[in-house]
Amino acid sequence: SAVISQKPSRDICQRGTSLTIQCQVDSQVTMMFWYRQQPGQSLTLIATANQGSEATYESGFVIDKFPISRPNLTFSTLTVSNMSPEDSSIYLCSVEDRGHTIYFGEGSWLTVV
Amino acid sequence: AQKITQTQPGMFVQEKEAVTLDCTYDTSDPSYGLFWYKQPSSGEMIFLIYQGSYDQQNATEGRYSLNFQKARKSANLVISASQLGDSAMYFCAMREGWDTGNQFYFGTGTSLTVIP
Repeated sequence: SAVISQKPSRDICQRGTSLTIQCQVDSQVTMMFWYRQQPGQSLTLIATANQGSEATYESGFVIDKFPISRPNLTFSTLTVSNMSPEDSSIYLCSVEDRGHTIYFGEGSWLTVV
Repeated sequence: AQKITQTQPGMFVQEKEAVTLDCTYDTSDPSYGLFWYKQPSSGEMIFLIYQGSYDQQNATEGRYSLNFQKARKSANLVISASQLGDSAMYFCAMREGWDTGNQFYFGTGTSLTVIP
């Protein structure tokens, strides 16, 4: 399975600011996925990031709020823009292996105050 | 309709006992995969076990086994010989089809507490 590293692991941010989360994979992958997990909730897919193309966003998520970069096959970033307390969540990066299983990074705990 | 249903918000089990976490799914696609993930309080999601819709035998991985009942559309996770470190949230998930990038559907999770 792929080894996925996320940074930061935790952060406390001020309302109205933006934070960029980094995701590094130890092998080349075609697709990377960004999920959000609000407190006490299940996972919700934010977007799918392919290298060399625009990310595909799920319903309810927009590029202006959650811009994503995918500069190469091992790295992606998710920015949470103009944060509000409702953005307080765990943000998880994931990749799919050849067996169609998805593996996750350690997650980034974001608290907006 | 929900794609994945986990009806047990919380479960308790005595250390060294076995426990079953329920999961039912809904799909009309004949090709699908079922997954279980563990999420400790640290927040990371750990892959535990996988069952393909065409697999004839129930999947097993160490102390984890998946009780796959296709006609009933259930994919229950069985943890044998529970350990204190098994205390965590457990999520059942499904993907339909085998195309790369097909969406995963997650259940609402079950919180398992192992009692010493």
